[in-house]
Amino acid sequence: GNSVTQMEGPVTLSEEAFLTINCTYTATGYPSLFWYVQYPGEGLQLLLKATKADDKGSNKGFEATYRKETTSFHLEKGSVQVSDSAVYFCALYLSNFGNEKLTFGTGTRLTIIP
Amino acid sequence: DTAVSQTPKYLVTQMGNDKSIKCEQNLGHDTMYWYKQDSKKFLKIMFSYNNKELIINETVPNRFSPKSPDKAHLNLHINSLELGDSAVYFCASSHRLQGEQETQYFGPGTRLLVL
Repeated sequence: GNSVTQMEGPVTLSEEAFLTINCTYTATGYPSLFWYVQYPGEGLQLLLKATKADDKGSNKGFEATYRKETTSFHLEKGSVQVSDSAVYFCALYLSNFGNEKLTFGTGTRLTIIP
Repeated sequence: DTAVSQTPKYLVTQMGNDKSIKCEQNLGHDTMYWYKQDSKKFLKIMFSYNNKELIINETVPNRFSPKSPDKAHLNLHINSLELGDSAVYFCASSHRLQGEQETQYFGPGTRLLVL
């Protein structure tokens, strides 16, 4: 079946540090890939997405590149801020005979300290 | 204007009770979903409806019954609540196009605590 594996959290960084959150996937087919972010006490928000190999998604200084050869979609940001503290979810979306659904990773909690 | 709204935001109840959570979206989407997020933040789909028709039903106990009166609403009724049902339940919606993956928009969540 389809699955998403994220690096275990929690991750704690100092403000302005470089961030990488690893995400790899297993899928039968060609999925679209997503990063969602969940701020404390809120629902999930789409952060960025990529729909085919070599696409780069970007938003709010975050980037992720769809790497088919390594089945990865790692999230990066060059300089994190305290306001980036949240839980980050990697997800894949695959349409399978009309049965479309998002499959999420387990989430990575990120804390940025001033 | 809230795109996907859920009520109530918090729900505390006793074991054995029956409760409902409501979801409404004003995005004009034709597909709606229910997800369950456990205490470890693991998020898993429960159901999805397209144009009021059930299209995904994961292995969820039949105590959980979704109902979609129209495309803009998807309610979740839970019978005989158990301690293990305590979680955050998220509603989401999207516009389903054949062969095109679409972004899902999530509600703020309903935090259910069963005592």
